[in-house]
Amino acid sequence: NAGVTQTPKFRILKIGQSMTLQCAQDMNHNYMYWYRQDPGMGLKLIYYSVGAGITDKGEVPNGYNVSRSTTEDFPLRLELAAPSQTSVYFCASSYRGDTQYFGPGTRLTVL
Amino acid sequence: GQSLEQPSEVTAVEGAIVQINCTYQTSGFYGLSWYQQHDGGAPTFLSYNALDGLEETGRFSSFLSRSDSYGYLLLQELQMKDSASYFCAVRSSGGYQKVTFGTGTKLQVIP
Repeated sequence: NAGVTQTPKFRILKIGQSMTLQCAQDMNHNYMYWYRQDPGMGLKLIYYSVGAGITDKGEVPNGYNVSRSTTEDFPLRLELAAPSQTSVYFCASSYRGDTQYFGPGTRLTVL
Repeated sequence: GQSLEQPSEVTAVEGAIVQINCTYQTSGFYGLSWYQQHDGGAPTFLSYNALDGLEETGRFSSFLSRSDSYGYLLLQELQMKDSASYFCAVRSSGGYQKVTFGTGTKLQVIP
């Protein structure tokens, strides 16, 4: 099993550009999450999903959108990138939420 | 809402025992989880307490006291490779069961 995969690993965006961060899991988990982690800080929840077609906002959803059309995939869309969105983005999946499996992360810089 | 507080930094000597505390304010949750994150890496799951008391997994133990709104992670026989950040997390028992992470503790193990 590949676990949780994320693409791309690194990306540099210009202010105002948009992009989609991809996340996929092969563990048949219903719960999936997107976090951002700024340098030296903790994990902040952006969006999460408890199953295909069901998503909800976390702590810091502004500037992001998600969709969950399948159990496996949970892409995160950044619209109109801003320097404040420079961060490391982690996707995670879980059977119920208590034990989360994280992807390797996407390191995003907005210039 | 949920908030979880941890000491920002802890230093301990190789071979010793260290305790990392997590105090929380929450309206209701299923259990307390612990994650480890090395610099530049993704968080990995360590331990979970659904009930009050001590859970032991090798050199790592975790404790929960709901009456005291408090938990801790205990690391024994510290090794240099245990130098990392440690996060506690809870899954809310309301709504879509959102997960909230603590502020994180950076552990430095010294020779």
